[in-house]
Amino acid sequence: DTAVSQTPKYLVTQMGNDKSIKCEQNLGHDTMYWYKQDSKKFLKIMFSYNNKELIINETVPNRFSPKSPDKAHLNLHINSLELGDSAVYFCASSHTRERRYGYTFGSGTRLTVV
Amino acid sequence: SQKIEQNSEALNIQEGKTATLTCNYTNYSPAYLQWYRQDPGRGPVFLLLIRENEKEKRKERLKVTFDTTLKQSLFHITASQPADSATYLCALALSGGGADGLTFGKGTHLIIQP
Repeated sequence: DTAVSQTPKYLVTQMGNDKSIKCEQNLGHDTMYWYKQDSKKFLKIMFSYNNKELIINETVPNRFSPKSPDKAHLNLHINSLELGDSAVYFCASSHTRERRYGYTFGSGTRLTVV
Repeated sequence: SQKIEQNSEALNIQEGKTATLTCNYTNYSPAYLQWYRQDPGRGPVFLLLIRENEKEKRKERLKVTFDTTLKQSLFHITASQPADSATYLCALALSGGGADGLTFGKGTHLIIQP
């Protein structure tokens, strides 16, 4: 199946821990993103990578560090987790020259910090 | 400040009628606008894209209009069905090139009553 897949789907962890979320796309897209959806369902961009190069880095704490080993992968590492980091994190991808197909999102990772 | 507003928390429509959802924006000059559908526990799914120089786009039972003077997009679902019940998100892209991220509205929860 062609898709954006992210793992894990659920992540429950204690404050202060470090965790990673992995994302892979097999659509041949050249740009990947991380979005955060908070409890009010507001979807906000965090990072954008184009061909492994960081393009957008919105105002997020530097505890969040994206890593793109290749065009098909964009992982999100979070250090020293805080209660306020609890949210659903979505990975997405797009083709910069074929905008009419929009963005393809993964199914999300629900992070709960306790 | 920049703002994207979508109408009401929930919109109840009787099956078979046309559902019309509104997206208003301020202090943006978007290159294009997209509409997404999001079901509970899932990632957004791309529906339609309309560019700043286009007035209307159609896809099956869906129609999107874009008025850059009013700074408004309308999203119509004709012959609505209970399966159309979901949250619909409006998203703006500020530039036509590069790895631009999307800025999303909070979404409208649409409920189609049988």
